[in-house]
Amino acid sequence: DVVMTQSPLSLPVTLGQPASISCRSSQGLVHTDGYTYLNWFQQRPGQSPRRLIYKVSNRDSGVPDRFSGSGSGTDFTLKISRVEAEDVGVYYCMQGVHWPRTFGQGTKVEIK
Amino acid sequence: EVHVVESGGGLKQPGGSLTLSCAGSGFTFINSGMSWVRQAPGKGLEWVSGFPGGGGSTGYADSVKGRFTISRDNSKNTIYLQMNSLRVDDTAIYYCAKGTSAPDVWGQGTLVTVSS
Repeated sequence: DVVMTQSPLSLPVTLGQPASISCRSSQGLVHTDGYTYLNWFQQRPGQSPRRLIYKVSNRDSGVPDRFSGSGSGTDFTLKISRVEAEDVGVYYCMQGVHWPRTFGQGTKVEIK
Repeated sequence: EVHVVESGGGLKQPGGSLTLSCAGSGFTFINSGMSWVRQAPGKGLEWVSGFPGGGGSTGYADSVKGRFTISRDNSKNTIYLQMNSLRVDDTAIYYCAKGTSAPDVWGQGTLVTVSS
């Protein structure tokens, strides 16, 4: 199975400051269709997961532009340019190329 | 609006069986890949099983292979997860999601508790 490794696992951030989460995959994530299926999900406390970013860098509708995704190959990053209170929660990366699909361990973002 | 709604969770004893359902609406179900993802209490997300869009073979996590079976009824816009030989560590919220490569719509989840 493809192992997705996130760091850090805990991320205390001051309001208005940037935050960055790394995700590394044990195998490349380029599908035969040419796309790289690396996705980012946000799970706020008590809620279902919500997709934020798909195919590395595409923001979902309604996702604030302070969220951005980047990367290639096996190294990917989710950045929040200025953290707001509503960004508290756990963030997961997920690969959608290899079976079975796999998630990272999750990164808990909290306000200092 | 696009929705998926899970049902069928409950309390089961170890070794028992349970079938979960997920009904989709607001999208062309027959062409859509679908996934089951679970979350044990206080833990992270674990992908369980899924159908790729447009047909193709199903996939399973190693932890459920041989015990769980995913199926779909396109006439009812519904997928199912047949869970056999349940274990205590299958206790989790089970989410249904539309898509397998980049799941974009998630349900509220249904709780499965396996305990004696």
